[in-house]
Amino acid sequence: DAGVIQSPRHEVTEMGQEVTLRCKPISGHNSLFWYRQTMMRGLELLIYFNNNVPIDDSGMPEDRFSAKMPNASFSTLKIQPSEPRDSAVYFCASSFTSGNLDTQYFGPGTRLTVL
Amino acid sequence: RKEVEQDPGPFNVPEGATVAFNCTYSNSASQSFFWYRQDCRKEPKLLMSVYSSGNEDGRFTAQLNRASQYISLLIRDSKLSDSATYLCVVNRRNRDDKIIFGKGTRLHILP
Repeated sequence: DAGVIQSPRHEVTEMGQEVTLRCKPISGHNSLFWYRQTMMRGLELLIYFNNNVPIDDSGMPEDRFSAKMPNASFSTLKIQPSEPRDSAVYFCASSFTSGNLDTQYFGPGTRLTVL
Repeated sequence: RKEVEQDPGPFNVPEGATVAFNCTYSNSASQSFFWYRQDCRKEPKLLMSVYSSGNEDGRFTAQLNRASQYISLLIRDSKLSDSATYLCVVNRRNRDDKIIFGKGTRLHILP
């Protein structure tokens, strides 16, 4: 079975540009999570969806960040405009949630560099 | 105080030794606990869940102490392949679900 798929795997862009990260969760999973990881701050939850509905976006750093989940098999995280401090690895994870938030399966991540 | 705290390490341990990590959490409403493993430049992967009664999976033992609000991971007979960062994960349910990852403990197994 395919795991969580993320694209692109690497992105290098210039400050001010729009960046769109994509994620395809594992088929049958009903929860999807976006994380950001840096050396300084570790792994931070940005937002998570349950049944395509955003449940908690309190981790989204500011209005420059937005996330959508138009259907059960696709989600995007958009940064507009991007800034150098957004450079990080962005992970998408999915799980099947039936009560407590359960085991998450992570994608390989997108390594973002904003120059 | 951070909600989930781990000793960042690194722990440099000779192969074959036993190593233990602790992770403390501050919110008593926390309900589910996990250990994840992350290899360098890779994604985190679930190592094991942590149950109230403690649980074991081969060389790995996880324990939960709700009174003192910490979880532990014990690795026996360590292998070179155990070198990784180990992330403590706490899920609390109060008025809101919240998943908190610790910043991880780096482990280096030395030949």
